[in-house]
Amino acid sequence: ETGVTQTPRHLVMGMTNKKSLKCEQHLGHNAMYWYKQSAKKPLELMFVYNFKEQTENNSVPSRFSPECPNSSHLFLHLHTLQPEDSALYLCASSQDSEVSEQFFGPGTRLTVL
Amino acid sequence: AQKVTQAQTEISVVEKEDVTLDCVYETRDTTYYLFWYKQPPSGELVFLIRRNSFDEQNEISGRYSWNFQKSTSSFNFTITASQVVDSAVYFCALRGGNNRLAFGKGNQVVVIP
Repeated sequence: ETGVTQTPRHLVMGMTNKKSLKCEQHLGHNAMYWYKQSAKKPLELMFVYNFKEQTENNSVPSRFSPECPNSSHLFLHLHTLQPEDSALYLCASSQDSEVSEQFFGPGTRLTVL
Repeated sequence: AQKVTQAQTEISVVEKEDVTLDCVYETRDTTYYLFWYKQPPSGELVFLIRRNSFDEQNEISGRYSWNFQKSTSSFNFTITASQVVDSAVYFCALRGGNNRLAFGKGNQVVVIP
């Protein structure tokens, strides 16, 4: 497998559910990212991890909880979400968190009922 | 603050026509990087090009070409002889001193056969 993979590709959940999104990169990169893409809005950076350490939290509500157990895996744990959290959640990775281009996964299309 | 503006929201062209996507950016940084990404219907953002602020050479890659004009803070993208497979959303992005990737809202390109 190559590149950045994300599972599941589609997720429907109720507001009281707990679910997790998974991202895995096979590129040997050191930085990983979560983005949120809502309709008609620019991509919003949520979290940045560099060498497994969180280096940025872009004022994301605590109902989104990231986890980075190693440089290849990134999770986004979801708990008591709101309907307005419905969006495409994209994971990306890059060689470093400064200069290099980011490579994106296919995203998880999340619908919160 | 960094900002990327892609004024054209949706552009429709007939196959084999050329299409130019405008990108205007704002930054106070003297060193920055500009990117273009393609997002086909599958959702994954595909990296197309990175350009640093000190390199104003235009670039051509197959049917794609980019025109970087620092004097007008623009980094425009042209697809020559468009094909149906070019139908996608194209994002321009800027990475400055804060290392955050700021995205424009994207241009939806529809190529009509």
